[in-house]
Amino acid sequence: DAGVTQSPTHLIKTRGQHVTLRCSPISGHKSVSWYQQVLGQGPQFIFQYYEKEERGRGNFPDRFSARQFPNYSSELNVNALLLGDSALYLCASSRGDNQPQHFGDGTRLSIL
Amino acid sequence: QKEVEQNSGPLSVPEGAIASLNCTYSDRGSQSFFWYRQYSGKSPELIMSIYSNGDKEDGRFTAQLNKASQYVSLLIRDSQPSDSATYLCALQRAGSYQLTFGKGTKLSVIP
Repeated sequence: DAGVTQSPTHLIKTRGQHVTLRCSPISGHKSVSWYQQVLGQGPQFIFQYYEKEERGRGNFPDRFSARQFPNYSSELNVNALLLGDSALYLCASSRGDNQPQHFGDGTRLSIL
Repeated sequence: QKEVEQNSGPLSVPEGAIASLNCTYSDRGSQSFFWYRQYSGKSPELIMSIYSNGDKEDGRFTAQLNKASQYVSLLIRDSQPSDSATYLCALQRAGSYQLTFGKGTKLSVIP
């Protein structure tokens, strides 16, 4: 079975632009979570969606938004990009509560 | 106090030795505990999950959990150079999907 797939793998944007990152979960997984990882830190939780509903939101500004589609894939949107948004953005999927989360390869976002 | 604390390392062990990685946490509501391995430039890969006190073994890996002491550890037996990576400790509260990660411990296995 395919793992979690994310696109694009790399992205370069300039300050003020917006970006959309995409994620397809493992088949059978209904939960998708988004994390941001900056160099030298562990991943930080951004959003979690289950059955198209937002179930959790981390300490990120309103410039960050997400949604989940009927096929359980998900998008993360970031508006008005700042230099500090440069990071590896990770998507993880799981079957449900307290089940292990499996990560995709991530999208590396660079802001110039 | 940080929610999840790990020694950032680097932790250096000779090939064939036992590597011991430690993690302490502050949230007593934590119910599920995970260890992820992350190679440089790659995404985290799940290697162990543990939910109850005691030891859990999977191949060369053993996870140990002590909820009373708020402590979880990972032992890697017969360490190989391919085990050289950053090991992330993560926990999850009951009923939550959110993982809270430590900063990770960088392990270097010396041939």
